Amino acid sequence: GENVEQHPSTLSVQEGDSAVIKCTYSDSASNYFPWYKQELGKRPQLIIDIRSNVGEKKDQRIAVTLNKTAKHFSLHITETQPEDSAVYFCAANTGGFKTIFGAGTRLFVKA
Amino acid sequence: ETGVTQTPRHLVMGMTNKKSLKCEQHLGHNAMYWYKQSAKKPLELMFVYSLEERVENNSVPSRFSPECPNSSHLFLHLHTLQPEDSALYLCASSQDELVNTEAFFGQGTRLTVV
Repeated sequence: GENVEQHPSTLSVQEGDSAVIKCTYSDSASNYFPWYKQELGKRPQLIIDIRSNVGEKKDQRIAVTLNKTAKHFSLHITETQPEDSAVYFCAANTGGFKTIFGAGTRLFVKA
Repeated sequence: ETGVTQTPRHLVMGMTNKKSLKCEQHLGHNAMYWYKQSAKKPLELMFVYSLEERVENNSVPSRFSPECPNSSHLFLHLHTLQPEDSALYLCASSQDELVNTEAFFGQGTRLTVV
């Protein structure tokens, strides 16, 4: 079955710097890759997603890249702000209900 | 708040107790899910319901028993739990379990088994 590895588990950056979180997946049939942000005490919420027919997607300060050959995808946050501090989860889906999540990255943005 | 609502938010129960978690969604979605979130672990999919029928039981112990009386409500019945079952239990819904779409999560029930 699908396995998703996420790194790093913890990331600390200075406000204004960029943050990059990387994930790898095992099932080459995976075709949908969402990213969720979970603030302390709150629910996970989708922040960006990418499908396997594109290599990059951008939404303001957030971008996601996908390398299908290498089976890895990354989240890039530019000009980080304190409110970006949260746990970020990557996930991979081969179709249907089986979305497999990574273990999460706790991002700290220091003011 | 609209969307996916879970109750209770916090629950402490003894190992011999029986309790239920409730989830309600007002999004008109067809699929509902239970996830377990433990510290430093990936979100673990427990159960999936599609149009009120269970379509996935991810090797979950029988002390967890789901129920989906209609497409808007999902329950997780708990009995004779173990301390290692303490975790955040998240409910989610999506429009359709066959199409890759966003999952909307509830705020979770923080469960502590003593």
